[in-house]
Amino acid sequence: DGGITQSPKYLFRKEGQNVTLSCEQNLNHDAMYWYRQDPGQGLRLIYYSQIVNDFQKGDIAEGYSVSREKKESFPLTVTSAQKNPTAFYLCASSIDSGTWNTEAFFGQGTRLTVV
Amino acid sequence: ELKVEQNPLFLSMQEGKNYTIYCNYSTTSDRLYWYRQDPGKSLESLFVLLSNGAVKQEGRLMASLDTKARLSTLHITAAVHDLSATYFCAVDFTSGTYKYIFGTGTRLKVLA
Repeated sequence: DGGITQSPKYLFRKEGQNVTLSCEQNLNHDAMYWYRQDPGQGLRLIYYSQIVNDFQKGDIAEGYSVSREKKESFPLTVTSAQKNPTAFYLCASSIDSGTWNTEAFFGQGTRLTVV
Repeated sequence: ELKVEQNPLFLSMQEGKNYTIYCNYSTTSDRLYWYRQDPGKSLESLFVLLSNGAVKQEGRLMASLDTKARLSTLHITAAVHDLSATYFCAVDFTSGTYKYIFGTGTRLKVLA
């Protein structure tokens, strides 16, 4: 079945560590996104990518990095520079260039906790 | 600044009642989406509204879009407990790029 897969579902990070969250899609979507959600809050855009080898900062990119080497994959690294990384991270994809359907589909999320 | 605002932020309603959630946005766009999120879960797509005057209905939920007023509404008819969730609208501010900005969310609780 087509979809977006995020892993791991739960992730624990020690102070000062970098961690990488995985996001893979087999929907043949061109665009991919990373959002952060804090408890009881909305979604804030971290980074987005419209095509391979290109990505743009969202509203809260500081302390995060991404890569887009393959169309299917858009990993997010939470660096030690991100001072408050505990949150729920959601990956999404959209834009089927064959149909120009712009609806965004979401993965199941990764819950990151600093210990 | 690209802003998407929803109101109310919290909504507690009795089963069987009707209510409307509002989504206002700051800049021209003709693509708007509604999502549902259950506690601890990801977002589930509800409606895709792609033009002025678009109206979509699914069960007890109906969404509409007025691009001139920069307003979308999500109307709930005869609410049931299963509709309890957080509802988000998202606007696709294209301007040459595809960038979705989400509203603040409306936490709906339907009381039996």
